[in-house]
Formats: sequence, structure tokens, C-alpha cells
Amino acid sequence: SQTIHQWPATLVQPVGSPLSLECTVEGTSNPNLYWYRQAAGRGLQLLFYSVGIGQISSEVPQNLSASRPQDRQFILSSKKLLLSDSGFYLCAWIGGNGAFFGQGTRLTVV
Amino acid sequence: GQNIDQPTEMTATEGAIVQINCTYQTSGFNGLFWYQQHAGEAPTFLSYNVLDGLEEKGRFSSFLSRSKGYSYLLLKELQMKDSASYLCAVRGGSTLGRLYFGRGTQLTVWP
Repeated sequence: SQTIHQWPATLVQPVGSPLSLECTVEGTSNPNLYWYRQAAGRGLQLLFYSVGIGQISSEVPQNLSASRPQDRQFILSSKKLLLSDSGFYLCAWIGGNGAFFGQGTRLTVV
Repeated sequence: GQNIDQPTEMTATEGAIVQINCTYQTSGFNGLFWYQQHAGEAPTFLSYNVLDGLEEKGRFSSFLSRSKGYSYLLLKELQMKDSASYLCAVRGGSTLGRLYFGRGTQLTVWP
């Protein structure tokens, strides 16, 4: 069966520090992968979408970037975090029978 | 652009039935998803509709009408643990690959 792993679960980072969140999928090949951010009490905002290695679509201009170095790996990065980058970051993939999320990373920028 | 609307809040009592509606306007359509999200947790996949009609999974059912841009999630025999946010998401966009979410409906189940 397919599983999606995301880490770390929680992260506290100072303003101006870099960020790297990793997401990996097992049990499937060539998945469509997504990065979302959910601010407190808000809906899920689509940040990046990838259909394959090296193929990234950015939805919202922001302080973040994404990369897909391997078929089953999707990375969210920032060179310098802002306070407004705080939120709940979720990785997801869509398979033939649904769309599934990782456990999420709660990022607090201080 | 993408526009997905669902009520902000709903309340119901244990054992009752509740219907959560979702209307959407998207450029392209390639399926509609429903999720359950408890506070502080990642969303959990509930159902997927790509063709018109009703999909049933135990106490949960989801309906889709593509011509009306409308879906609903039906929850039967409500339990206290069903108190959560329910998210409607539409897969669409120019390449039919993007997955867009509504803001969620916070359901509170009372004893």
C-alpha cells in the first residue's frame, strides 16, 4: 500500500534562518505531489505542485521554493524565514483511489 | 480562478444525519474530494467523486453534480467523534492536476 512520510512533525526556527522540509512517498511511482500551508483557523493554501522530477508549479509568490530531486521526494525550502511563514505545512499526493496527506509539520518562526 | 464554497459552521446531535454542501467554480474539473480534519492533525481522506452520482462508504456518502458545480457530504448516525472540520477539495486548473480546497466546515456534534 502507499504511504507518505513527512518530517519533522514540529519545528521552531528563528527569523532569517533557512528551512528544509522533506516529503517522501512509498508504494507508488510518478505521483503528483503537493505542498500546502494552513494558517491557524484558515483553509489549505496550495503552495507548489509537481507532476515529476524537476517539474514544479508555484501557485503563490512567496518566500518559499520547492524541489523534486527524485520521483518520490518533494522538498520545501526557504533561504530566510519570515514570521509570516509560520503555519502547518502539509505534503500530499494523489493516487488512483484518492488523495492523501502526510502528518504535517507545524512550523513556528520566532 | 478557483472558487470553492462551503458553510463555515454546522451543529447536529448524536444519532442524527447532517449534510454538508459544497459548491465550486473551477477552470477544469478532474474530481472532487472530501476530507475530515481534527484540530491539530492532517486531513484524512473520506471520499472521491469524479462522475455524477452518489458514492457510499459506511456512514459517509458523497454526491456530485458536475453540471451544477455542487457536491454534498452526508454523515449518518452521527457520533461525538465526528466533530471536526470537513474540507471540500476540487482537482482542476489548466492542467487538471491542481487540488484546491474550500475553507472547511466546522461540525460540532452535541450529545
